[in-house]
Amino acid sequence: QKEVEQNSGPLSVPEGAIASLNCTYSDRGSQSFFWYRQYSGKSPELIMFIYSNGDKEDGRFTAQLNKASQYVSLLIRDSQPSDSATYLCAVKGYSTLTFGKGTMLLVSP
Amino acid sequence: DVKVTQSSRYLVKRTGEKVFLECVQDMDHENMFWYRQDPGLGLRLIYFSYDVKMKEKGDIPEGYSVSREKKERFSLILESASTNQTSMYLCASSLYGGQGEQYFGPGTRLTVT
Repeated sequence: QKEVEQNSGPLSVPEGAIASLNCTYSDRGSQSFFWYRQYSGKSPELIMFIYSNGDKEDGRFTAQLNKASQYVSLLIRDSQPSDSATYLCAVKGYSTLTFGKGTMLLVSP
Repeated sequence: DVKVTQSSRYLVKRTGEKVFLECVQDMDHENMFWYRQDPGLGLRLIYFSYDVKMKEKGDIPEGYSVSREKKERFSLILESASTNQTSMYLCASSLYGGQGEQYFGPGTRLTVT
């Protein structure tokens, strides 16, 4: 059974700080990794994906992948109250995604 | 932008009713997916389809069936709704051969009484 593990949180950070969200996965053969943001009562929205070891930056978001450690993270710089949401990590298997249960992020003004 | 739409945002049905949830995507994606999302359980895959008239069971197919007669449309059917099928249902689509990124519809909150 492929597993994707995330700390459920909540992770509380002050406005302007860096939020660090982490995810580990069990399937060593996984190739693509995704971060989704989900506001309460809304559907998941794709933020970014990564498939090579290292960092990938998109605006205030940076995804980091370490395949040897089976670890993927999302950094949010200059966190804003509007970033308060649940962040889902997803890992691609052969044809489907396995999702973690998400980490709730709370950014306080 | 990819657009995935679902037929209803909120739906209330009675136990034993047959329920149809419709999903349409406008980006010519081959792959389509149905999930349910419950507190504490996360997103769970019910069924997916990688082509017209093709379907594959996901992790929790019991009590559900699907239909894909056209590429853009993927329907989830609850043959005889039960209270334990009260949930948020999410449809998603993705491009075959891409990195696998899925785009979600707005979801249908189904309540079975």
